[in-house]
Amino acid sequence: DQQVKQNSPSLSVQEGRISILNCDYTNSMFDYFLWYKKYPAEGPTFLISISSIKDKNEDGRFTVFLNKSAKHLSLHIVPSQPGDSAVYFCAAKMDSSYKLIFGSGTRLLVRP
Amino acid sequence: DTAVSQTPKYLVTQMGNDKSIKCEQNLGHDTMYWYKQDSKKFLKIMFSYNNKELIINETVPNRFSPKSPDKAHLNLHINSLELGDSAVYFCASSPSIGPGGNTIYFGEGSWLTVV
Repeated sequence: DQQVKQNSPSLSVQEGRISILNCDYTNSMFDYFLWYKKYPAEGPTFLISISSIKDKNEDGRFTVFLNKSAKHLSLHIVPSQPGDSAVYFCAAKMDSSYKLIFGSGTRLLVRP
Repeated sequence: DTAVSQTPKYLVTQMGNDKSIKCEQNLGHDTMYWYKQDSKKFLKIMFSYNNKELIINETVPNRFSPKSPDKAHLNLHINSLELGDSAVYFCASSPSIGPGGNTIYFGEGSWLTVV
């Protein structure tokens, strides 16, 4: 029973173009969403987050969009760089909970 | 200056052995976690401690026992290791819950292989 789903296991993008990573969730009680980036043989690194009271949060080249009615969020990376090549995990939680629920990840490859 | 550090990074051991993975955080956080990344790459929470008290205990075999001597340390002890325990185990920490949620910071992972 996956409450957080990342349906694209991989994505390949040309350097300089936009990367769009998608995430869907089923639990309407989630009110905080995070994106993590993971390089091989390293732990996940926090990238950006968004609260359910917002529909957009931007941090440099990274923007997260939240569509609560569709229970969907996306991470946009513009412009994409080869160093962005990694696995990206979407995660969600309830404000009152310590439990972070992860998606299965999307492997992004940015081609030079 | 590693914020969340765990040892060992790699561990190969035989079935039936008992092993421990240690974790320390220097972020001043009150809450610590153990997550497991299985062969399908899902990251799933196993345990969480807040100020040395167990607050999350997922459906994990009781061969797994976490121990938190203080709020900066959370160790994971595994008894009678089985082949299916082979996975990557991530320690993590976060501040206590506040408005807007809280961000969890992960260690680099411990690769456990049971042969």
